[in-house]
Amino acid sequence: AQKITQTQPGMFVQEKEAVTLDCTYDTSDQSYGLFWYKQPSSGEMIFLIYQGSYDEQNATEGRYSLNFQKARKSANLVISASQLGDSAMYFCAMREDYNNNDMRFGAGTRLTVKP
Amino acid sequence: ETGVTQTPRHLVMGMTNKKSLKCEQHLGHNAMYWYKQSAKKPLELMFVYSLEERVENNSVPSRFSPECPNSSHLFLHLHTLQPEDSALYLCASSQESGLNTEAFFGQGTRLTVV
Repeated sequence: AQKITQTQPGMFVQEKEAVTLDCTYDTSDQSYGLFWYKQPSSGEMIFLIYQGSYDEQNATEGRYSLNFQKARKSANLVISASQLGDSAMYFCAMREDYNNNDMRFGAGTRLTVKP
Repeated sequence: ETGVTQTPRHLVMGMTNKKSLKCEQHLGHNAMYWYKQSAKKPLELMFVYSLEERVENNSVPSRFSPECPNSSHLFLHLHTLQPEDSALYLCASSQESGLNTEAFFGQGTRLTVV
């Protein structure tokens, strides 16, 4: 069964606007961690932001914030003030407590920022 | 050098060849990973090493053979591959294979099997 679902294969956003990338997850663990990564065309996966399942506040890192809705099992990434350099693939990932060696990734969303 | 470095960046090999992918990390991490990224598929975890011992092997075919001689280096030895093994192979490291530890990735090796 798919653990991480990213329903948007591609998204477009105008430069300087905000964009939300969706991520839903499936787990029966109470303790888990959620991650977002950015993958530019160069191939490297760049860590953006982390949210723990017990964190009461939504995580924020600069222009990135995570809209964590635990009951809905969603962890959407919000990018504010989009820049041309934000154009890339974005992946949502999860570690579960029962097997925290394994970081499961979603299929990704390709974001294109328009000038 | 900083971060996670993978060599080569690109590799084309025949189905009868033997080649190796190399990964090196200069972050002082004690866990290292191999992922496979195929087109239109999520990243697939292949192997995990923690403190130089293999702790995860997700039913990877034996034509892929990992080696972790020390905490800074990780290899993936390839032999008699198939065309469907063509993919981007990503190496990653983390401080420990714990719940809240992010993984740091290299730029990957783009492998083409002909």
